[in-house]
Amino acid sequence: GAVVSQHPSWVICKSGTSVKIECRSLDFQATTMFWYRQFPKQSLMLMATSNEGSKATYEQGVEKDKFLINHASLTLSTLTVTSAHPEDSSFYICSATGTRTYEQYFGPGTRLTVT
Amino acid sequence: AQTVTQSQPEMSVQEAETVTLSCTYDTSESDYYLFWYKQPPSRQMILVIRQEAYKQQNATENRFSVNFQKAAKSFSLKISDSQLGDAAMYFCAYVSGGSNYKLTFGKGTLLTVNP
Repeated sequence: GAVVSQHPSWVICKSGTSVKIECRSLDFQATTMFWYRQFPKQSLMLMATSNEGSKATYEQGVEKDKFLINHASLTLSTLTVTSAHPEDSSFYICSATGTRTYEQYFGPGTRLTVT
Repeated sequence: AQTVTQSQPEMSVQEAETVTLSCTYDTSESDYYLFWYKQPPSRQMILVIRQEAYKQQNATENRFSVNFQKAAKSFSLKISDSQLGDAAMYFCAYVSGGSNYKLTFGKGTLLTVNP
């Protein structure tokens, strides 16, 4: 149980375009979802926290207008990278927690390459 | 703010041997949870073991065990009978027992298993 999926697993887009990444909890209701960014050989950097039906809470230094997060249901959160630039190229990981649990279940990640 | 420190950027172990990864944390809270996550080359984050701060007994999961020293704020991971599949980046993580569920990660330890 506690499976989280992400789609797509790999995406290449042109500079200036937008790309959407989906994160789904497949077998549980995710009360809270998290979005991370990870550079090679580095730790995970939390970008934002989202709760179903509420606006996402962004970490300091993360541009909320560039990284749009929508948590429309208890099983789906989306991250849209708007007007992507090469410096946005990275590995993006989502995670989710269920009710009354402090354990986060991670998706497999999405590799974004902006050309 | 809570911090998690992993002082060993890289470790290596011979197959079938035992290795211990170090982790210390800083917090003023009494209610929290600690985790060790494994990130293999696939980059999928996998939960290895968890420890509730209120539990005195050290957590164990098959070949993985922790040495939780609450007063010293230390949370080391011992891997016994190391296998080639254990090669990965290992992250120590902390989450407060409050309501925000946010994980604080260490910088990680890259474990190499030599045949």
